[in-house]
Amino acid sequence: QKEVEQDPGPLSVPEGAIVSLNCTYSNSAFQYFMWYRQYSRKGPELLMYTYSSGNKEDGRFTAQVDKSSKYISLFIRDSQPSDSATYLCAMSGRGSQGNLIFGKGTKLSVKP
Amino acid sequence: GAGVSQSPSNKVTEKGKDVELRCDPISGHTALYWYRQSLGQGLEFLIYFQGNSAPDKSGLPSDRFSAERTGGSVSTLTIQRTQQEDSAVYLCASSLWGTSGMKGKYFGAGTRLSVL
Repeated sequence: QKEVEQDPGPLSVPEGAIVSLNCTYSNSAFQYFMWYRQYSRKGPELLMYTYSSGNKEDGRFTAQVDKSSKYISLFIRDSQPSDSATYLCAMSGRGSQGNLIFGKGTKLSVKP
Repeated sequence: GAGVSQSPSNKVTEKGKDVELRCDPISGHTALYWYRQSLGQGLEFLIYFQGNSAPDKSGLPSDRFSAERTGGSVSTLTIQRTQQEDSAVYLCASSLWGTSGMKGKYFGAGTRLSVL
């Protein structure tokens, strides 16, 4: 079992839909959880980060972490064509200073 | 500069040649990271610098790979005797601290390496 599992998609939704992106993980030591957005031929862009369990909201984006289930989610409300990108989850444990473990990414397409 | 800058943006080389990839981190960021992203794969950690020292080199795939950082700023990733399996996008990131998550990492656009 890989440390971080993420459905690669592709996921196609109509404009305005609510998008749900998810990752599961196996390492109970993970405490820092991030979501990155990557446009084609660009570097990943930090979107959200959370520490431990709970929810975090930023505009149309909500990140959720459920450590008991080892499951994290990113919700996008009122999705826009400009949200079309690959979304990568990433996580690490306390003290593992360099080594973020990434999911393989989910490719999202929002159709106008 | 405003963001992490990497050069060249694209590099095509012949098998067996050496290549150098450069990264200019965000000004003031003490931590610098190299990752590799292959087609269909996630990001693979290579090496982490705090200042000029590299406390974690665990991700370097072989002794053909090396990296250095000078002046607490610019870093160079060198791949010797390149192989076709080295073809990938090499991404550099920097952050304010060495902690992996508290401030997040900010990535450059990457160098797309093709080994023929």
